[in-house]
Amino acid sequence: GNSVTQMEGPVTLSEEAFLTINCTYTATGYPSLFWYVQYPGEGLQLLLKATKADDKGSNKGFEATYRKETTSFHLEKGSVQVSDSAVYFCALSDPGGSYIPTFGRGTSLIVHP
Amino acid sequence: DVKVTQSSRYLVKRTGEKVFLECVQDMDHENMFWYRQDPGLGLRLIYFSYDVKMKEKGDIPEGYSVSREKKERFSLILESASTNQTSMYLCASSLQGPTDEQFFGPGTRLTVL
Repeated sequence: GNSVTQMEGPVTLSEEAFLTINCTYTATGYPSLFWYVQYPGEGLQLLLKATKADDKGSNKGFEATYRKETTSFHLEKGSVQVSDSAVYFCALSDPGGSYIPTFGRGTSLIVHP
Repeated sequence: DVKVTQSSRYLVKRTGEKVFLECVQDMDHENMFWYRQDPGLGLRLIYFSYDVKMKEKGDIPEGYSVSREKKERFSLILESASTNQTSMYLCASSLQGPTDEQFFGPGTRLTVL
């Protein structure tokens, strides 16, 4: 079956540091890949997505590249801000399956001033 | 602005009570989902619906039921609430395709005493 594995948190960084949150996946077909973000007290919202190999999704300074050869979709940001403190979820949607997304367990990011 | 709304942000119920959680989306989406979110466990799918009056079990349906009488509304029912159902409940909706993102409501934090 499908699965998504994320690095465990919390990830603690100082403001302006470089961020990487690792995400690898297992899927039977050619999935679409997503990063969602959940700010404190809120629901999840889409941060970025990529629908085919070598696509790069980007939004709000965050980037992730769909790497089929390593089955990865790592999230990066060059300079984090305190306002980026949130929980980040990697997810996939497999068109060969039921279209129900598979989520990772989430990675908490804490950014200190 | 597209929106998924949930009937309550916070709810406190007693063991054995029947509990209704309501979710409404204004995007004419086909798919709707109910998840629960617990620390360390990420998101777990309870039920989903891909059309009016249609429903499918997710990963943890035991103790829950759902109702979708209208396209925009998806209700989660706890027939007899128990303390182990204390959790954050998230509703989401999406269009049909595998590249389509999910839109989430703000969540209902349910406490069962």
